[in-house]
Amino acid sequence: QVQLVQSGAEVKKPGASVKVSCKASGYTFTSYGISWVRQAPGQGLEWMGWISGYNGNTIYAQKFQGRVTMTTDTSTSTAYMELRSLRSDDTAVFYCASGGSASPLYFDYWGQGTLVIVSS
Amino acid sequence: DIVMTQSPDSLAVSLGERATINCKSSQSVLYSSNNKNYLAWYQEKPGQPPKLLIYWASTRESGVPDRFSGSGSGTDFTLTISSLQAEDVAVYYCQQYYNTLITFGQGTRLEIK
Repeated sequence: QVQLVQSGAEVKKPGASVKVSCKASGYTFTSYGISWVRQAPGQGLEWMGWISGYNGNTIYAQKFQGRVTMTTDTSTSTAYMELRSLRSDDTAVFYCASGGSASPLYFDYWGQGTLVIVSS
Repeated sequence: DIVMTQSPDSLAVSLGERATINCKSSQSVLYSSNNKNYLAWYQEKPGQPPKLLIYWASTRESGVPDRFSGSGSGTDFTLTISSLQAEDVAVYYCQQYYNTLITFGQGTRLEIK
């Protein structure tokens, strides 16, 4: 069965960076892309961007352009999301979600979420 | 970006009654070349990741109860729960994927009356 397993919770200071991993299993990693979705406490879902599992092409939401980098390691079927220059309002649960091959579509599988707390 | 606006923000429905959630997009998400609406619905319960319910506006995901249905085209869409069950209490989101810059609605909180 398809599974996306994310790395554990992180606590970071303002200005630092965080890198969250998402290990996929149960499907051919290079056949689909991975999106990252952020959810601040008590707030809605916010799409951050997408990376192709096939060739590493990325599409980023304008809000995160310049501050986020998404990468993949096809040898381990793992996707990564690094967010830099963290602020307190980056405190959120970050999800990876699979969907779309050539571009992001709907998300049929989700990771369990990674809580990132940004606090001094 | 395509703005997705859901209504209402919250909704209370009696068990066994119909629940209806609306989603409006700021531009059409109907792709004319394949006649598909690039619209999905998700259910989110506390402490869990979102769950895909509906894609292509009206295709039910495998395993989703048939009391859930999606309808609409172009810019106006509806998620209907035909007979509300206690386990349907959740926040529901619509999402467009017509534009590669994905956007979600703000969410609709569904409660039992």
